[in-house]
Amino acid sequence: EVQLVQSGAEVKKPGESLKISCKGYGYSFTSYWIGWVRQMPGKGLDWMGTIYPGDSDTKYSPSFQGQVTISADKSITTAYLQWGSLKASDTAMYFCARLFDYDLRAMDVWGQGTTVTVSS
Amino acid sequence: QSALTQPPSVSGSPGQSVTISCTGSSSDIGNYNRVSWYQQPPGTAPKLMIYEVSNRPSGVPDRFSGSKSGNTASLTISGLQAEDEADYYCISYTSTNTFVLFGGGTKLTVL
Repeated sequence: EVQLVQSGAEVKKPGESLKISCKGYGYSFTSYWIGWVRQMPGKGLDWMGTIYPGDSDTKYSPSFQGQVTISADKSITTAYLQWGSLKASDTAMYFCARLFDYDLRAMDVWGQGTTVTVSS
Repeated sequence: QSALTQPPSVSGSPGQSVTISCTGSSSDIGNYNRVSWYQQPPGTAPKLMIYEVSNRPSGVPDRFSGSKSGNTASLTISGLQAEDEADYYCISYTSTNTFVLFGGGTKLTVL
């Protein structure tokens, strides 16, 4: 079965660092882009960026450029989203998703989401 | 403010049809047939319902259909069922450097 499995919920303090993961199963991980999407409490979906695990080509939304780092380790079919210094405003649910067609920008498989809570 | 404009909410009774609009510009919806739609019930991950304006992935009921006219794409749900109650989002390719555009989401209430 094709699926993306994300790491568990995190509770952090402002200023701390964090790296969450998204592991792919059941398909050729290096052949599809993986995107990251933020959903703040009670709000809509925000595009953060995407990575092609085959060669680690990465594209960021201008809104998130410099705020987060997207990476991947193809040897363990896992993509990552990381922060160097968290803020309270980073509190949100984060989803990873597979872009089944790069040109269409459509996402057919989604992870279950990782809740990140940043509070002092 | 989202790059693609959706109505905040729509509603309908079981068995009726509802249409959700998604308005963009000539840099995205207007010139590219690369619009997809997603259903997100409360507390769950989004699910792909329509891609490339009007194509349904396998397993999606044919009650869900998509179309486009000019800069506006639409998702129509016919024969409404209680299980259709969810938030719906549109996504579009864009020729700008933002890579992809999201709509703000529409809450569908089945009365």
